[in-house]
Amino acid sequence: EVQLVQSGAEVKKPGESLKISCKGSGYSFTSYWIGWVRQMPGKGLEWMGIIYPGDSDTRYSPSFQGQVTISADKSISTAYLQWSSLKASDTAMYYCARSRLVVTSADAFDIWGQGTMVTVSS
Amino acid sequence: DIQMTQSPSSLSASVGDRVTITCRASQGISNYLAWYQQKPGKVPKLLIYAASTLQSGVPSRFSGSGSGTDFTLTISSLQPEDVATYYCQKYNSARGTFGQGTKVEIK
Repeated sequence: EVQLVQSGAEVKKPGESLKISCKGSGYSFTSYWIGWVRQMPGKGLEWMGIIYPGDSDTRYSPSFQGQVTISADKSISTAYLQWSSLKASDTAMYYCARSRLVVTSADAFDIWGQGTMVTVSS
Repeated sequence: DIQMTQSPSSLSASVGDRVTITCRASQGISNYLAWYQQKPGKVPKLLIYAASTLQSGVPSRFSGSGSGTDFTLTISSLQPEDVATYYCQKYNSARGTFGQGTKVEIK
């Protein structure tokens, strides 16, 4: 079964760092782009960025460039989203999702992780 | 950056009604348009890609149309299980953008 399994919920304080993960299985992890999507409480979906695990080519939305870092470790079929200094406004559900087709970055997301809830509060 | 604008932001319709949601891109995106359904508390689900191609397993009452800047998602006969928020997404470049969402409720 093709699936993405994300790490568990996190509660952090402002200023702390965080790295959440997304592990792919059931398919060739290096051949499909993985994207990250933010959903703030009660709000819509926001496209953050994507990474191609095969060569770690990464693209960011201008809104998230410099705010987060997307990375991948193809040896363990895992993509990451990390923050160096969290803010209360980072409180949200974060989803990883896989592109529908191999190789191409210009594609819809057909497989989604279950989401990781990140809560930042003092 | 290309902006995606959905309308309406919410709607209420009766079971069996035909429902249409519109998505407009601020620039032409050919047919690089997807529609997702997100039920309350659930993970988004891909319904349609390439503007009009139904994802495997999606009921045929869902359909999509459009090209360039104007797109529509149609539910031919609204069912109770279709209560959800629907999002369009453009993906014509390596930066995707979602619409703000349309919440569909049963009257």
